[in-house]
Amino acid sequence: GAVVSQHPSRVICKSGTSVKIECRSLDFQATTMFWYRQFPKQSLMLMATSNEGSKATYEQGVEKDKFLINHASLTLSTLTVTSAHPEDSSFYICSATTGGMETQYFGPGTRLLVL
Amino acid sequence: RKEVEQDPGPFNVPEGATVAFNCTYSNSASQSFFWYRQDCRKEPKLLMSVYSSGNEDGRFTAQLNRASQYISLLIRDSKLSDSATYLCVVNTNAGKSTFGDGTTLTVKP
Repeated sequence: GAVVSQHPSRVICKSGTSVKIECRSLDFQATTMFWYRQFPKQSLMLMATSNEGSKATYEQGVEKDKFLINHASLTLSTLTVTSAHPEDSSFYICSATTGGMETQYFGPGTRLLVL
Repeated sequence: RKEVEQDPGPFNVPEGATVAFNCTYSNSASQSFFWYRQDCRKEPKLLMSVYSSGNEDGRFTAQLNRASQYISLLIRDSKLSDSATYLCVVNTNAGKSTFGDGTTLTVKP
C-alpha cells in the first residue's frame, strides 16, 4: 500500500517557538494532502486541505497565519506551527490522497508538546 | 448535531464474540464511506471501504444503508488483536472527509 511519512515523530519545544512538520508520500504522487489534529480521546479534526501548487484551504476556526501550510511538490507538504503555545500541544497527522474520493493514507503522526 | 455519529462505546467483549458498530451521517450528498481502525497513540489505518452492496473481508463485514444514512461494521469471532478504536469516515464528492469520534473496542481473554 501507499506509504506516507512524517517528520519529526515527536517534538518538544518552548512556548513562542515555531515548529515545522513534514509530510511525504514516499511511493505515490499526492495531489491532495490533509492536516489533522487529534486531542486525547477525541477524533481527528481536519485543519486544512492542501493541494499541490495552490494555497491551502483552512477549516473554520483554524488560523491560517498560525498554521502555515506549504505544498510545494506532489510528494511533500509542510505544516508550521508558528509561535506555539501549550494549547497547541496535540497529535498532528497528515494524510495523502491521489484525489477525488480515494482513500486517505495517513502518516504516523507527530506528537507536539509545547512547554 | 454532528455530521458523523458513532456508537459511543466502549465495547468490552470476550474473545470469539460478535460485535457490531453503527455510524450515522447527516449529509445526504456523501459519496464514499470507510472504516478505519486506530490503535492507541498511532495513526488511523484503513480497515475497509463500504459499498452499497455490502462487503466482507474475512471476519469483517461492512454495510451501507443510503436510505437511512448509516453504515455498520460487524466483527465476527473477535480476537484480542481487534482491540482498537474504530473510526467511521464519510467523504463528500468534494473530497472532504469527516470522521466520527470513534468507538472503542476491547476484546478480553
